[in-house]
Amino acid sequence: EPEVTQTPSHQVTQMGQEVILRCVPISNHLYFYWYRQILGQKVEFLVSFYNNEISEKSEIFDDQFSVERPDGSNFTLKIRSTKLEDSAMYFCASSDEYSNQPQHFGDGTRLSIL
Amino acid sequence: RKEVEQDPGPFNVPEGATVAFNCTYSNSASQSFFWYRQDCRKEPKLLMSVYSSGNEDGRFTAQLNRASQYISLLIRDSKLSDSATYLCVIHGGAGSYQLTFGKGTKLSVIP
Repeated sequence: EPEVTQTPSHQVTQMGQEVILRCVPISNHLYFYWYRQILGQKVEFLVSFYNNEISEKSEIFDDQFSVERPDGSNFTLKIRSTKLEDSAMYFCASSDEYSNQPQHFGDGTRLSIL
Repeated sequence: RKEVEQDPGPFNVPEGATVAFNCTYSNSASQSFFWYRQDCRKEPKLLMSVYSSGNEDGRFTAQLNRASQYISLLIRDSKLSDSATYLCVIHGGAGSYQLTFGKGTKLSVIP
């Protein structure tokens, strides 16, 4: 069964540094997403991406964050000037052509900011 | 009012028991509804979509009541492997692509 893959599985970074989280969505999917989950809290939407542009973003997704699809397979989330409160699990997801279809999640990147 | 509200549990049930989870949502424009399960420190995995007519997948039955903005999940003949957190998930209304998650209900199936 096709799956969403994410790297790295765990990223430890000093506060103030920049991190890039990488995702390879399911190959025939057209909609891509990033979510985060702070330990013990619910999964929160960050951003959706379609046709090489952001289609929707949450209040969390401020100027500190950016997304990019640098080639035909990768989808990245960049976090600049990381803060302690950015520590969380970051999940990438993708869905097929119809936007209300279920989203399939990668196994996440655990980001720890020291 | 919380967007998606669930009983946090935990629900501790013996193997073979039937257990029901409830969920209410506030966005009346929501168009799609799902149950996901999440194991500890893992990604959410789709369990099933929820349709107005109700739908069943083996031991799992989901119901949607749009008028009451209420969703349910019934698990029959619980297995040890059903132990997880069950997430009620709502897809936004027209023009929205985001999923809105409840905090989840934790289930522990006990031998």
